[in-house]
Amino acid sequence: EDQVTQSPEALRLQEGESSSLNCSYTVSGLRGLFWYRQDPGKGPEFLFTLYSAGEEKEKERLKATLTKKESFLHITAPKPEDSATYLCAVQALGATNKLIFGTGTLLAVQP
Amino acid sequence: DADVTQTPRNRITKTGKRIMLECSQTKGHDRMYWYRQDPGLGLRLIYYSFDVKDINKGEISDGYSVSRQAQAKFSLSLESAIPNQTALYFCATSDAIGYTFGSGTRLTVV
Repeated sequence: EDQVTQSPEALRLQEGESSSLNCSYTVSGLRGLFWYRQDPGKGPEFLFTLYSAGEEKEKERLKATLTKKESFLHITAPKPEDSATYLCAVQALGATNKLIFGTGTLLAVQP
Repeated sequence: DADVTQTPRNRITKTGKRIMLECSQTKGHDRMYWYRQDPGLGLRLIYYSFDVKDINKGEISDGYSVSRQAQAKFSLSLESAIPNQTALYFCATSDAIGYTFGSGTRLTVV
């Protein structure tokens, strides 16, 4: 069964304190792995798509990496405005665009 | 205007009532989805539609129905609402590049 597990469930950082969020996945064949940011009361906002092991993508203070079993979202020198829930999702080959989501990591960055 | 618009944003309804959640998109995509989000469970797929004539059940379709009125419109109905359908509901649309989500409808069934 296709499955996505995110850790930790919650993470509290001081401003400027770098860290990483983990997304472990089990899927019959990976078409793509997606990272989203979700603010309270809002829908998920797209961050990155990764397609193959070894691929990396960056956007401002965020960098996503992918291996055959997991993905990391690295946050470098975070700011309070980075506080949000970060969601990971996978799309399996032949799954006709359906995404399987993890339960998310709630990140709080304190000034 | 938002690419994906959901109405209402918030709704409180009584057990047994019929309720419809509406979604419209301006992305021009054929594919549309309804998800529900519950604390600790993540987003789960209720129904999806790849075009006006193609509607498919997701992993948790029991108790729900959908209607694809046009390429841009996809509505979700709860025929007889029950308290465990209290959740945050999201509509989304996608193309080959990725998904765009609406801002959600917070539904409370009392």
